[in-house]
Amino acid sequence: SQTIHQWPATLVQPVGSPLSLECTVEGTSNPNLYWYRQAAGRGLQLLFYSVGIGQISSEVPQNLSASRPQDRQFILSSKKLLLSDSGFYLCAWTRASLNEKLFFGSGTQLSVL
Amino acid sequence: RKEVEQDPGPFNVPEGATVAFNCTYSNSASQSFFWYRQDCRKEPKLLMSVYSSGNEDGRFTAQLNRASQYISLLIRDSKLSDSATYLCVVIPGSGTYKYIFGTGTRLKVLA
Repeated sequence: SQTIHQWPATLVQPVGSPLSLECTVEGTSNPNLYWYRQAAGRGLQLLFYSVGIGQISSEVPQNLSASRPQDRQFILSSKKLLLSDSGFYLCAWTRASLNEKLFFGSGTQLSVL
Repeated sequence: RKEVEQDPGPFNVPEGATVAFNCTYSNSASQSFFWYRQDCRKEPKLLMSVYSSGNEDGRFTAQLNRASQYISLLIRDSKLSDSATYLCVVIPGSGTYKYIFGTGTRLKVLA
């Protein structure tokens, strides 16, 4: 069966510090991968998605970036965090075809202070 | 207009009640639709897909109205454990891998 791992579960970072969140999927190959952010009391905002190694689609211009160095690894990064980057970050995956079900990792609660 | 819109609620209902949520979408070419459930500070979990002819899973019924561009979720015989936020998800068009979420509808089932 397929599983998705996301870490860390919680993170507290000062403003201006860098960020790296990692997500890996097991039990499948060539998944589509996604990063979402959920601000407190708000809906899920699609940040990035990837349909293959090195292929990244960015949905929202911001100081975040994403990379997919390996087939089942998706990384969310920032060089300098802003207060507004605080939120619940969720990685998700689907099978590599259209209209598939989306499955989420357990999320990272990021607080930028 | 937002791509996917939901009434944020909260819907406060007694145990055993029937409750319905609607979700509207703006892109008439949208292909696939889902309902997810999210508990506080947890990841969303798939509740059910929404099929064109409507579909049922136990106490839950999902329907699609393409003409009016909305989907609905009906929960019968509400349980305390149904208290959560229900998220509507739409794939906005053909040939896209994007999944757009509504802001969610909060449900509180009261004893």
